[in-house]
Amino acid sequence: DAKTTQPPSMDCAEGRAANLPCNHSTISGNEYVYWYRQIHSQGPQYIIHGLKNNETNEMASLIITEDRKSSTLILPHATLRDTAVYYCIVRVAGGFKTIFGAGTRLFVKA
Amino acid sequence: DTAVSQTPKYLVTQMGNDKSIKCEQNLGHDTMYWYKQDSKKFLKIMFSYNNKELIINETVPNRFSPKSPDKAHLNLHINSLELGDSAVYFCASSLKGGTSGSEQYFGPGTRLTVT
Repeated sequence: DAKTTQPPSMDCAEGRAANLPCNHSTISGNEYVYWYRQIHSQGPQYIIHGLKNNETNEMASLIITEDRKSSTLILPHATLRDTAVYYCIVRVAGGFKTIFGAGTRLFVKA
Repeated sequence: DTAVSQTPKYLVTQMGNDKSIKCEQNLGHDTMYWYKQDSKKFLKIMFSYNNKELIINETVPNRFSPKSPDKAHLNLHINSLELGDSAVYFCASSLKGGTSGSEQYFGPGTRLTVT
């Protein structure tokens, strides 16, 4: 079973920031938080990951709470092409197994 | 250049047949994976190979046999296909499957339809 909880769906207006929450209250100290997204039926696409500190790349920002029990993926200026299912995953250090949950279906509307 | 490629993209076949799906990555990664995404859209890991060695076999029927001839290829052979095998199969690779921080890169998927 997935170790994360995400809302099933969210809406966002085009050009606004999309904030996607994720709860991972049972995360272990050696587990990273990863975010992927799947656009329509394409292969999942890696977005960002982090351990403790907030992270930013060209696609998004990842905010992890101090207790690491939750995180938020931020798409600063959502576009229609960001409409996708977003998966939050925690992954054991040294492990080869990635468990995908149901994810959050983000609808970006014009 | 495509990082992770799969062939074929679509595969339609009848029950009882044997078929193969091929996967190649040109990223120089050590670890490769097969995932199955069923009609309910849940993505489940099937196998993981690291340096051609099987690491994970997620209770997949033995009709499914992965083969890794080298680090860049991981093929999936399926015997005696059943209706329930209809799904989209994704191949993925990562640089260091056993080290924190290694993201996975996915192929475009192979949509298998068993009739």
